[in-house]
Amino acid sequence: GEDVEQSLFLSVREGDSSVINCTYTDSSSTYLYWYKQEPGAGLQLLTYIFSNMDMKQDQRLTVLLNKKDKHLSLRIADTQTGDSAIYFCAESSSYNTDKLIFGTGTRLQVFP
Amino acid sequence: ETGVTQTPRHLVMGMTNKKSLKCEQHLGHNAMYWYKQSAKKPLELMFVYNFKEQTENNSVPSRFSPECPNSSHLFLHLHTLQPEDSALYLCASSHSGTSGRIYEQYFGPGTRLTVT
Repeated sequence: GEDVEQSLFLSVREGDSSVINCTYTDSSSTYLYWYKQEPGAGLQLLTYIFSNMDMKQDQRLTVLLNKKDKHLSLRIADTQTGDSAIYFCAESSSYNTDKLIFGTGTRLQVFP
Repeated sequence: ETGVTQTPRHLVMGMTNKKSLKCEQHLGHNAMYWYKQSAKKPLELMFVYNFKEQTENNSVPSRFSPECPNSSHLFLHLHTLQPEDSALYLCASSHSGTSGRIYEQYFGPGTRLTVT
């Protein structure tokens, strides 16, 4: 079945880069997403990537996709304390983008 | 400020109680979702409604009963729950993605449910 896996925790120093990793099993996944959940709030879409792309960059965020290994990563440059949150990886097919399969989320803690 | 609101924010209920969770969106969306968020588990899609019709039921036990009276409101009726049902229940809405286009799902803050 479909499965998305992430490590549960990541701790980084302010100003360093953070790299959050995700693996997925569904080879028909067409879109891969990163959502952010701040404390006490719902999830917010950060970015997404289409499976025919290798990389997408948006300001401090860089998404890398290795489709052969079914591996997705989110790099946050110059990590700030405001980046402390839970980051969820998700995937969907192209024909039904309503149905998102999420991972466990990675809790990013940024310390000064 | 989120356009998706959920009430109540916190709920404690016994296993024999009946309660309902409410979700409301003011974004003009036609798809609404219920998710279950438990510690150390993947965020789990429970139900999807498109234009008030249920299009996804992810093998959810019948003690959870959704209701979508219109595109702006979504309920989750709860009865005879188990302690393992304690979790954060998140509601989301979006334009319908069944055409294959990507539409962002907008999430509410969730209802923290504790079953005693």
